[in-house]
Amino acid sequence: ETGVTQSPTHLIKTRGQQVTLRCSSQSGHNTVSWYQQALGQGPQFIFQYYREEENGRGNFPPRFSGLQFPNYSSELNVNALELDDSALYLCASSLVPVDSANYGYTFGSGTRLTVV
Amino acid sequence: GEDVEQSLFLSVREGDSSVINCTYTDSSSTYLYWYKQEPGAGLQLLTYIFSNMDMKQDQRLTVLLNKKDKHLSLRIADTQTGDSAIYFCAERGNNAGNMLTFGGGTRLMVKP
Repeated sequence: ETGVTQSPTHLIKTRGQQVTLRCSSQSGHNTVSWYQQALGQGPQFIFQYYREEENGRGNFPPRFSGLQFPNYSSELNVNALELDDSALYLCASSLVPVDSANYGYTFGSGTRLTVV
Repeated sequence: GEDVEQSLFLSVREGDSSVINCTYTDSSSTYLYWYKQEPGAGLQLLTYIFSNMDMKQDQRLTVLLNKKDKHLSLRIADTQTGDSAIYFCAERGNNAGNMLTFGGGTRLMVKP
């Protein structure tokens, strides 16, 4: 059973550019959530995708968008990058609904994005 | 909105017990989690507790939940140097996306 894989592991972009981050979910998981973890802080929920549609969104502007594909993998796109977007972006896969039988959110190792 | 608070830092000696505390505000929380993050790595789920439980034990880990005070703790028995990491408390409420709300993390340092 494979875990959650994210690519790339590190990325440097210039302010104003666009970036795409990728995530492959754990085998058998149909849902992908994205989190942003700024340095020294806890992760913050960006959004979740289930059945290729957004299924909940945190307090992030529309320039953060995503996609989910039929194989349950996902992309996070960020347009018009700002310096404050520099962070570790974590992808987590899970089964929906999350209940006592399948409590697990499996996190990937993240993509470290630096905006200069 | 929901809020989760943790103390920033804890230092213990190898072999001692560690207790990491967390408070949360969302009374609709259904599950509460403890995650471990080592340098440069993602989040590793350590344990979780359902909101209708008050204690859960899993080998060296004991989770205590005081739902009235909205207080969660993680006790690590016989703490080892390999336990040095950042520990995050997270709660899941009844919301679209089943989002997790994380605390800011507690850095645990274990001295030999």
